[in-house]
Amino acid sequence: SQQGEEDPQALSIQEGENATMNCSYKTSINNLQWYRQNSGRGLVHLILIRSNEREKHSGRLRVTLDTSKKSSSLLITASRAADTASYFCATDEEGAQKLVFGQGTRLTINP
Amino acid sequence: DTEVTQTPKHLVMGMTNKKSLKCEQHMGHRAMYWYKQKAKKPPELMFVYSYEKLSINESVPSRFSPECPNSSLLNLHLHALQPEDSALYLCASSQDSLPEQFFGPGTRLTVL
Repeated sequence: SQQGEEDPQALSIQEGENATMNCSYKTSINNLQWYRQNSGRGLVHLILIRSNEREKHSGRLRVTLDTSKKSSSLLITASRAADTASYFCATDEEGAQKLVFGQGTRLTINP
Repeated sequence: DTEVTQTPKHLVMGMTNKKSLKCEQHMGHRAMYWYKQKAKKPPELMFVYSYEKLSINESVPSRFSPECPNSSLLNLHLHALQPEDSALYLCASSQDSLPEQFFGPGTRLTVL
C-alpha cells in the first residue's frame, strides 16, 4: 500500500525560484528518501535522511524531517529547467524490507 | 559500473503471447526488485529478491513470474497478460544492508 501523501500534486515555478514539496507518512520509519523521475524514465536517488536526523543538505537540495508530525519537506533552491521532473518521497518502514512511495509531486520549471 | 540496465525498452504484446523482461546490474548488489508504474502514479512494488531468493511477493497475479538466475540478473516472465497490465516496469537493486535503490530506465509494456 502507498502510505505517503505528497503536496502539492503539481507545482509550476519560474527558473531561479525555490521549489518546496511536502511528504507525509503514517508509520514509524527507519529513514526517508527522495527520488526524482524524468518523464517515463527510471527513478534517481537524491537524498536520504535518517529518522534521528532533522535536516540534511546536498548541493541545492535541503530536506527536513519531523518524525513527531510524520512529515518531510524537500526544498530545491535556485531551480533550473533541468529540475523539471516528478519527485517522490519513499519511506523505509521499520521491520520491512521494502520502500513505500508517496504519490509524487510533478514539478515544472518555466524558463 | 553503477548502472542498472533493462531490456527491451519497449514491448508490445498480445494477450496470448509469452514474453520476458530482463534486468541486469554489476554493482554487486544482493537485493533486486520489480516495480510496476502506471502513468502519473508512484511505483508499486511487485517482487523482491534477496540473495537470489524470492523474499517478497506483493500478491502479484501468477501471469507475472519472476526469476533470479544469478546475483546480477533478474527476469520477469509474462504470460496471458491483460490490457490493464500495460505500464512501465521498473527494475531496481540495492546493497542488502542499505536502503538506497538504484533504478533501471524501465520497460514500457503495452498489452493489446
